[in-house]
Amino acid sequence: DARVTQTPRHKVTEMGQEVTMRCQPILGHNTVFWYRQTMMQGLELLAYFRNRAPLDDSGMPKDRFSAEMPDATLATLKIQPSEPRDSAVYFCASGLVHWPQHFGDGTRLSIL
Amino acid sequence: TQLLEQSPQFLSIQEGENLTVYCNSSSVFSSLQWYRQEPGEGPVLLVTVVTGGEVKKLKRLTFQFGDARKDSSLHITAAQPGDTGLYLCAGGYNQGGKLIFGQGTELSVKP
Repeated sequence: DARVTQTPRHKVTEMGQEVTMRCQPILGHNTVFWYRQTMMQGLELLAYFRNRAPLDDSGMPKDRFSAEMPDATLATLKIQPSEPRDSAVYFCASGLVHWPQHFGDGTRLSIL
Repeated sequence: TQLLEQSPQFLSIQEGENLTVYCNSSSVFSSLQWYRQEPGEGPVLLVTVVTGGEVKKLKRLTFQFGDARKDSSLHITAAQPGDTGLYLCAGGYNQGGKLIFGQGTELSVKP
């Protein structure tokens, strides 16, 4: 079965360090989403792309977060500098429609 | 503020029982999705409903979209331990992409 692949699966780093999370969407899917999941806030949309163009990143703290799609097979989410409040599970998802059809298994991020 | 409220938040039942999970909002959605998430994994899309009053069945799971497209329910018949997980509903709008997720219902089915 086709899967959305996220790396790394786990990341522990110190406050102030740069964090880069990568996602390989399912081949042929033209919509890519980044979500963050915490116990308090649940699943929140950070950004999404269609045909590699950013359509909405209003959920993302723009002073420290950036999302890009260098090509159709790679999406990245960067945090610089990272803060303890960024600790969460970050999910990438892809699809062919307006909603995420397939999620990756997430990157569990801990900022100390 | 757009909110999607799920109830109950937690549900612990015995194998073989029936259950219903509710998803309510004051907003009208163009589509509504249900996902199931297991620990350490991403959500898995179960169903999408787009028409008011629509009912979809997936084996022992029955999904219904309210007539006004503001609410939805998930009914599980004869629950099994394999149904254990976090059930999430999410509402979408015509502009696309910006799904609003509910907080989820944590279901535990004991053998």
